[in-house]
Amino acid sequence: GNSVTQMEGPVTLSEEAFLTINCTYTATGYPSLFWYVQYPGEGLQLLLKATKADDKGSNKGFEATYRKETTSFHLEKGSVQVSDSAVYFCALSDNRNTPLVFGKGTRLSVIA
Amino acid sequence: DSGVTQTPKHLITATGQRVTLRCSPRSGDLSVYWYQQSLDQGLQFLIQYYNGEERAKGNILERFSAQQFPDLHSELNLSSLELGDSALYFCASSAPSGGSYSGNTIYFGEGSWLTVV
Repeated sequence: GNSVTQMEGPVTLSEEAFLTINCTYTATGYPSLFWYVQYPGEGLQLLLKATKADDKGSNKGFEATYRKETTSFHLEKGSVQVSDSAVYFCALSDNRNTPLVFGKGTRLSVIA
Repeated sequence: DSGVTQTPKHLITATGQRVTLRCSPRSGDLSVYWYQQSLDQGLQFLIQYYNGEERAKGNILERFSAQQFPDLHSELNLSSLELGDSALYFCASSAPSGGSYSGNTIYFGEGSWLTVV
């Protein structure tokens, strides 16, 4: 079945450091890929998405490129801020009327 | 604000009791999803409804049930509650595309915190 594997956290970075959170997936066909973010005490918000191979999703300085050859969708940001501290979830949709499959989440803490 | 509304935001109840969580999807969204988030299990899909009909079922216990009403709001009923049912329950909705994603985003509510004591 479909699955998403993301790097385990927690990840602790200093402000302005470079961030990478790895995400790989297993799916049949051509899934859509998503990153969601959950700030403390809040629900999940869509951060970015990509619907086909080589697409790059971007938002708020975050980027992720849909790599079909490596079945990956790694999240990156060049310079993190304290306000980026949150839990990040990678997710997959197989576009066949089944719900999103989520990774286990990666907690990011950014310290000043 | 995602446009998905969940009530109540917080709920404390005793073991053995029954509770109902309510969700209003975004205007125009026909699909509603329920997820459970707990510390040890992560984010688990429970059930999906599309325009009033059950569309997909995930790891939902038999003690739990849900429905989607003609006005498209949904309720998740949790009965015979156990300590392990303490979790954050999310509702989400997505736009109509025959009920499929096709890359459509799903939008989450802020969740209902359930504590069973």
